[in-house]
Amino acid sequence: DIQMTQSPSSLSASVGDRVTITCRASQGISNSLVWYQQKPGKAPKLLLYATFRLESGVPSRFSGSGSGTAYTLTISSLQPEDFATYYCQQYYSTPLTFGGGTKVEIK
Amino acid sequence: QVQLVQSGAEVKKPGASVRVSCKASGYTFSSHGFSWVRQAPGQGLEWMGWISTENGDTKYAPKFQGRVTMTTDTSTSTAYMDLRNLRSDDTAVYYCARSLLAAMDYWGQGTLVTVSS
Repeated sequence: DIQMTQSPSSLSASVGDRVTITCRASQGISNSLVWYQQKPGKAPKLLLYATFRLESGVPSRFSGSGSGTAYTLTISSLQPEDFATYYCQQYYSTPLTFGGGTKVEIK
Repeated sequence: QVQLVQSGAEVKKPGASVRVSCKASGYTFSSHGFSWVRQAPGQGLEWMGWISTENGDTKYAPKFQGRVTMTTDTSTSTAYMDLRNLRSDDTAVYYCARSLLAAMDYWGQGTLVTVSS
């Protein structure tokens, strides 16, 4: 199984801050990476797929990059509605696996 | 608009089985498969498996192989997930998600399954 390691597990930030979350795969996944946002009591929401492709309707302040085993999600200017938990997920091979999540909290 | 509506919360005893349903609407059912993902209380996301709506092919996570069965009913546009021999650590919210065995672009609202004696 491919292990996905996210860091940090949590962070505190202010509205307007630039936030970066990292996801590392235990082996190369050829950009087969997705990012989700989850708010308490809600289902996850797809943000980006194939590393950097923005899902329809997702604000452009969200961006993704990376290659090989290292990937990042960047929020260029944190908004109040962005406080949530973020998960990466690889689809290079089954079983599909998720990172442990990064909780973004208000500073 | 695409909607996935799941069945309601369940309470089961250890050793029992549970079936969770996921009714799809707003798109052509056979165009996408379904992944099932669960989330234990306060924990992260865990992929259980995937089913094709085209031919019924399935891929199960090794952890659940032998204990889970995923099926679909094209006549009602509904996907099902059966989990057998439930244990207390199966207590979780179970989600269906539309998927081509890659990104999961639409999700159901989740179904809480509680396993308790």
